[in-house]
Amino acid sequence: GQQLNQSPQSMFIQEGEDVSMNCTSSSIFNTWLWYKQDPGEGPVLLIALYKAGELTSNGRLTAQFGITRKDSFLNISASIPSDVGIYFCAGQLTIPGANSKLTFGKGITLSVRP
Amino acid sequence: DAGVTQSPTHLIKTRGQQVTLRCSPKSGHDTVSWYQQALGQGPQFIFQYYEEEERQRGNFPDRFSGHQFPNYSSELNVNALLLGDSALYLCASRRTGIAYNSPLHFGNGTRLTVT
Repeated sequence: GQQLNQSPQSMFIQEGEDVSMNCTSSSIFNTWLWYKQDPGEGPVLLIALYKAGELTSNGRLTAQFGITRKDSFLNISASIPSDVGIYFCAGQLTIPGANSKLTFGKGITLSVRP
Repeated sequence: DAGVTQSPTHLIKTRGQQVTLRCSPKSGHDTVSWYQQALGQGPQFIFQYYEEEERQRGNFPDRFSGHQFPNYSSELNVNALLLGDSALYLCASRRTGIAYNSPLHFGNGTRLTVT
């Protein structure tokens, strides 16, 4: 099935550093979401974006919905050890009255060195 | 407030067997979706249930079927298991009506191993 493009597959940063990750698609979406998954657990929603150009923050996390509706980025500032995990982007194309599936990227594994 | 709960957490089956996975949605949620996550991949959409009917289906064969009960809980059934069905099966729920794009909440999944 279709997957969004996330690269690189892994990122290694030093504690305290900022990190950015982006996600691209060949199709447009009207909702972009970022999830984090820890080992043995399901994905947990970090940020949801509903409007092209929207910039949203959640604590040290900031995400943007690209103007073209085909991309999004997530920024984590001042990283800490508990930021370790797999970060997935997901796109959703939904029309009113219809519930639509999520299309996920392959994920980026983030490692934080103390 | 319980989140999405799935059972069992782990399961080992043999090729050709059938399996049933169960999901209880988050309190107040009425729509349930199922996703398959292979190792090293993102989740792939299987299907979605609302008002006890399958509303949308991903690119999965008919061996994959489901059901939603009046209390909104759901089951995923897979027949004639193949080795390639080994994966983490995630259930997700949302509340329809408050916003057509209200986000999904995921359970911790059932790890299915087919030998």
